[in-house]
Amino acid sequence: DGGITQSPKYLFRKEGQNVTLSCEQNLNHDAMYWYRQDPGQGLRLIYYSQIVNDFQKGDIAEGYSVSREKKESFPLTVTSAQKNPTAFYLCASSPRRGDGYEQYFGPGTRLTVT
Amino acid sequence: SQQGEEDPQALSIQEGENATMNCSYKTSINNLQWYRQNSGRGLVHLILIRSNEREKHSGRLRVTLDTSKKSSSLLITASRAADTASYFCATVIQGAQKLVFGQGTRLTINP
Repeated sequence: DGGITQSPKYLFRKEGQNVTLSCEQNLNHDAMYWYRQDPGQGLRLIYYSQIVNDFQKGDIAEGYSVSREKKESFPLTVTSAQKNPTAFYLCASSPRRGDGYEQYFGPGTRLTVT
Repeated sequence: SQQGEEDPQALSIQEGENATMNCSYKTSINNLQWYRQNSGRGLVHLILIRSNEREKHSGRLRVTLDTSKKSSSLLITASRAADTASYFCATVIQGAQKLVFGQGTRLTINP
């Protein structure tokens, strides 16, 4: 099956701990994205990567870090510097064909920090 | 601030009725896309309309784009209970390589 997987579905952490969210795709897509969604809100872009070993900050990158060592993988680390990390995190990928940038989303990880 | 703003924020209709959602944006775009999100799930791409297109159809979906008014609408005809979800518009701004999402419209179809 082709698609994007995110694990785990639910994640609980204590305040002050770093946590890494996994995102893997087998669609052979060049671009990958991380979004944050708060209850009743739209998506806000955290980081994105157009190619392996390169990534750019999105609108709300503070307190987050990423790596893109492999085309298939784009893990997101939520650091202790993120002041309000509890949220629903969505990963997406895009084939970057033409000007479309249609994105394919994973099922999301719901992070709760107490 | 968000590039796209959907209107209304919430919409509740009876099954079989048509549902119309609107999206306004601020800057010039390459294309505009609509996505659906079921509660607690990831987003699913519905339809893409390019800046040189005015209308596009896909099954029961009809999307229009008015670049002079910087607005788009999504029409779902003959709604079904399974259409209950949040709907988001997203724009690809000229010169950018990313999508900018609106806040979404929460659609409820009552049986």
